Amino acid sequence: DAGITQSPRYKITETGRQVTLMCHQTWSHSYMFWYRQDLGHGLRLIYYSAAADITDKGEVPDGYVVSRSKTENFPLTLESATRSQTSVYFCASRPDRARYGYTFGSGTRLTVV
Amino acid sequence: AQTVTQSQPEMSVQEAETVTLSCTYDTSESDYYLFWYKQPPSRQMILVIRQEAYKQQNATENRFSVNFQKAAKSFSLKISDSQLGDAAMYFCAPGNQFYFGTGTSLTVIP
Repeated sequence: DAGITQSPRYKITETGRQVTLMCHQTWSHSYMFWYRQDLGHGLRLIYYSAAADITDKGEVPDGYVVSRSKTENFPLTLESATRSQTSVYFCASRPDRARYGYTFGSGTRLTVV
Repeated sequence: AQTVTQSQPEMSVQEAETVTLSCTYDTSESDYYLFWYKQPPSRQMILVIRQEAYKQQNATENRFSVNFQKAAKSFSLKISDSQLGDAAMYFCAPGNQFYFGTGTSLTVIP
């Protein structure tokens, strides 16, 4: 039962390069989220999506792009990676009803050099 | 952004003792859910406990319980009989907001 799959698990990229983090869920959850986790900041919301073709900004959206053409996929693209985007990125999903809470992927550790 | 505050960046507890992690939040809604998540060194996020705001009774899951004070918008997590495997980061989250607290790192001392 994969639930929600993120790839890659680790990624090293150079400053200025474009990189895409993938997220795939098998639950048919309405909501999907991208968070970044940094020491001292906890989990910060980058973007979220309430349904296919509906996305909205979170707390820290600058430098990121998302799309959701299919319910099950929610890729996150760093258009031109910067060192400040070095972080652990988590994808999560949630049904329409909040009572079930979030299901998280295993995270992607991204290093920008 | 809505505010979720975990005022204790780090906590420690002796094995078999009890520890309480605090969380306060802000919401204008009256019906919502609150969650505590655990993140061990494996990085996986694990749901620990859920509280329904319209229920007076505090939620309990084995050694984990909450102290929910709706008027004060406070949602603390109590871990009883602490075990080495409880060592982790703990995050609280109001389920209607998509935001998480900054986390509390719990160390369990043998």
